[in-house]
Amino acid sequence: QSVLTQPPSASGTPGQRVTISCSGSSSNIGSNTVNWYQHLPGTAPKLLIYSNSQRPSGVPDRFSGSKSGTSASLAISGLQSEDEGDYYCAAWDDSLNGHVVFGGGTKLTVL
Amino acid sequence: EVQLVESGGGLVKPGESLRLSCAASGFTFDSYSMNWVRQAPGKGLEWVAAISSSGSYIYYTDYMKGRFTISRDNAKNSLYLQIDSLRVEDTAVYYCARDQWISDHWGQGILVTVSS
Repeated sequence: QSVLTQPPSASGTPGQRVTISCSGSSSNIGSNTVNWYQHLPGTAPKLLIYSNSQRPSGVPDRFSGSKSGTSASLAISGLQSEDEGDYYCAAWDDSLNGHVVFGGGTKLTVL
Repeated sequence: EVQLVESGGGLVKPGESLRLSCAASGFTFDSYSMNWVRQAPGKGLEWVAAISSSGSYIYYTDYMKGRFTISRDNAKNSLYLQIDSLRVEDTAVYYCARDQWISDHWGQGILVTVSS
């Protein structure tokens, strides 16, 4: 059971917009920033969004993040087949003495 | 270009020990904190441990304290993870990642299989 809760799956057709939610608590998302990672098959995880909504250089603006209270979400617009993979949210948890907690991951399928 | 390359994995028996290494290049290693993250087969990402840039501050997932030891050698641009008393449930791909706050760069990972 992950500390952060994500839907196990999401799907969309090419060109669509999909959102992935991440729910936590006051000790993690409620008091710290959220990062999002993309993990495509056979590759290393990649930072997609940091500090709730910031994109590292090289990440297309099709990817966006937001946070409200104890929840966060990742939005992917203009869905492409190469976006198919697993997506994870993560945040520091103040109740765990400096630990990072991950969501269980959401498998995105591009139909 | 930032590069992180893990090594030291393989097949080990329950109860044995293993030391994973992560060789860093392309950035000023001693300016960054580092993480280890693992992924068991069919499971999600799980944070293991973090170490500050100087090595002075170390953090572990609670249930990994005691068997896992994170360390670094800034002179060798290397990060390490010592795992003692390995258990079947430690079977996973282990990744090193730069920066404990955002993990902005990751290695390709190294597989550790614990089986008798």
